[in-house]
Amino acid sequence: AQSVTQLDSQVPVFEEAPVELRCNYSSSVSVYLFWYVQYPNQGLQLLLKYLSGSTLVKGINGFEAEFNKSQTSFHLRKPSVHISDTAEYFCAVSDRGSTLGRLYFGRGTQLTVWP
Amino acid sequence: DGGITQSPKYLFRKEGQNVTLSCEQNLNHDAMYWYRQDPGQGLRLIYYSQIVNDFQKGDIAEGYSVSREKKESFPLTVTSAQKNPTAFYLCATSRGTRNTEAFFGQGTRLTVV
Repeated sequence: AQSVTQLDSQVPVFEEAPVELRCNYSSSVSVYLFWYVQYPNQGLQLLLKYLSGSTLVKGINGFEAEFNKSQTSFHLRKPSVHISDTAEYFCAVSDRGSTLGRLYFGRGTQLTVWP
Repeated sequence: DGGITQSPKYLFRKEGQNVTLSCEQNLNHDAMYWYRQDPGQGLRLIYYSQIVNDFQKGDIAEGYSVSREKKESFPLTVTSAQKNPTAFYLCATSRGTRNTEAFFGQGTRLTVV
């Protein structure tokens, strides 16, 4: 079975500062990795995904993440945040060997950007 | 306009009543999913379906039921057996093959009073 741990439930940061949202996973099989963003009272939107190849993945809105297999991590980073980045961020994994496509989610990290 | 439509956006029901949440998609995706979201708990899988007329229980299926009579539709019924139904419910779809991401609807917030 897979599990995902998001190490920080809340991350406050000032506008234009860099940010890192941490994600670690545990799995007995190889996985695909995803980051989603959720704005209040809305669904989830895909930020980026790691399927294979380069371990540094670039996504939308200037976000990027790096897959570290030895540390089973997939931390999300942005060099300079904006007020509009305030949202909840979810890390998720899915089983590479399965066609089910189901996702296992972390508990989320609330990013709050202050002016 | 392509996508996933969940309706209604807000739903209020009295305790003990069954309620059905709608999820319709025009993405031609094979797989559909229902997740429940509670504050601080992330998303938990209720039911999923890979093809028409077939579905499987997820991690928290007790007190819920689904049907998949059409590829486009995957309604979720929250029954009176669900002990704590107040939550945000999210429907998702995927192509049902490896290495594809899930796409989400805008959610339905159910409040039981």
